[in-house]
Amino acid sequence: GENVEQHPSTLSVQEGDSAVIKCTYSDSASNYFPWYKQELGKRPQLIIDIRSNVGEKKDQRIAVTLNKTAKHFSLHITETQPEDSAVYFCAASETSYDKVIFGPGTSLSVIP
Amino acid sequence: DTGVSQDPRHKITKRGQNVTFRCDPISEHNRLYWYRQTLGQGPEFLTYFQNEAQLEKSRLLSDRFSAERPKGSFSTLEIQRTEQGDSAMYLCASSSTGSGDQPQHFGDGTRLSIL
Repeated sequence: GENVEQHPSTLSVQEGDSAVIKCTYSDSASNYFPWYKQELGKRPQLIIDIRSNVGEKKDQRIAVTLNKTAKHFSLHITETQPEDSAVYFCAASETSYDKVIFGPGTSLSVIP
Repeated sequence: DTGVSQDPRHKITKRGQNVTFRCDPISEHNRLYWYRQTLGQGPEFLTYFQNEAQLEKSRLLSDRFSAERPKGSFSTLEIQRTEQGDSAMYLCASSSTGSGDQPQHFGDGTRLSIL
């Protein structure tokens, strides 16, 4: 079955700096890669997703890249703000409506 | 859009008791998913439904766990003879297989604590 690995497990950056989280997946059948943000005690919320026919996607300060050949995908957050502090999960799935396999998470702290 | 709702938000019970959780998906969503999340980990897939049909169950879902979605709307997840290791956050999500890619939307979860 699918296995998603994620690193680093914790990341601390100064406000205004960039943050990068990297993930790998194992199943070639995966074509959909969502990223979720989870604040303490709250539900996971989708922040951005990318499909296998696209190499890069950007939404304001957030961008994702996908290398399907290498089975790597990454999240980039620019101009970080304290409210970006949360746990971020990468995930993989065959489609957006199939079961999603999550990575172990990255705890991001943005220091004011 | 009222979002995915789960009930109860918290459940504390003694080991060996049975518990049941309820999930109400977004109304037009035909797929409903159950995940389990333990502290410091990502959500783990348990099972999912399309309408009333249960499509897949994870190996994590032992015989003590059962899920239903009898009318294709709300779903229940029951755990029988609870064990300490069942303590976790149980998350429900829903999505649609309709036109366009529809990401999964999560509820706030039910936090289960086994004494």
